[in-house]
Amino acid sequence: LAKTTQPISMDSYEGQEVNITCSHNNIATNDYITWYQQFPSQGPRFIIQGYKTKVTNEVASLFIPADRKSSTLSLPRVSLSDTAVYYCLVGDGRRGSTLGRLYFGRGTQLTVWP
Amino acid sequence: DTGVSQDPRHKITKRGQNVTFRCDPISEHNRLYWYRQTLGQGPEFLTYFQNEAQLEKSRLLSDRFSAERPKGSFSTLEIQRTEQGDSAMYLCASSSELNRGFTDTQYFGPGTRLTVL
Repeated sequence: LAKTTQPISMDSYEGQEVNITCSHNNIATNDYITWYQQFPSQGPRFIIQGYKTKVTNEVASLFIPADRKSSTLSLPRVSLSDTAVYYCLVGDGRRGSTLGRLYFGRGTQLTVWP
Repeated sequence: DTGVSQDPRHKITKRGQNVTFRCDPISEHNRLYWYRQTLGQGPEFLTYFQNEAQLEKSRLLSDRFSAERPKGSFSTLEIQRTEQGDSAMYLCASSSELNRGFTDTQYFGPGTRLTVL
């Protein structure tokens, strides 16, 4: 399974755009890239998932270059409530695969200041 | 709320005691996962069920750990003869296979925090 590398921590201020980049040099053809968010004393929460190019939903965008060896989670206009740990994961996307387990690293602690 | 629920939320026990945790997944989800998370680390995979079948177990799951999902709905995780190193947050997640073949989106419960004295 592909290993991911992301910054341990980042700081931002309210209203700014935050970009968190994740490296996954050994990503496999069947792997999808998924980001989760975790608040203290809660389970992780799915944010966004993609395979290539750009994916956007109501809370974030995910940019994936053509070589797929990295990805960037973009959070527009963060607020204090976006302070959390953000995890980048890669996983096998084959239907029926039993490899659906997720491997989390240490994640990126994002702190948003007023 | 029809999300994943876990019970209890907190458990304090003495070393050597047995503990059992329960997870109720989202009702239509056929896949269920257990993870363990220690302070400052991301969740670590323990085991995975598809319906009632336990299809995968991590090497982290020692002989003192056992998980069941007898009717393919709720699941239990039991730890026998607890040790202080078992102190952690135990997370349960569930998912449903997507038709598009994407990696499953897993929905996590709030976790059970275990403290072994």
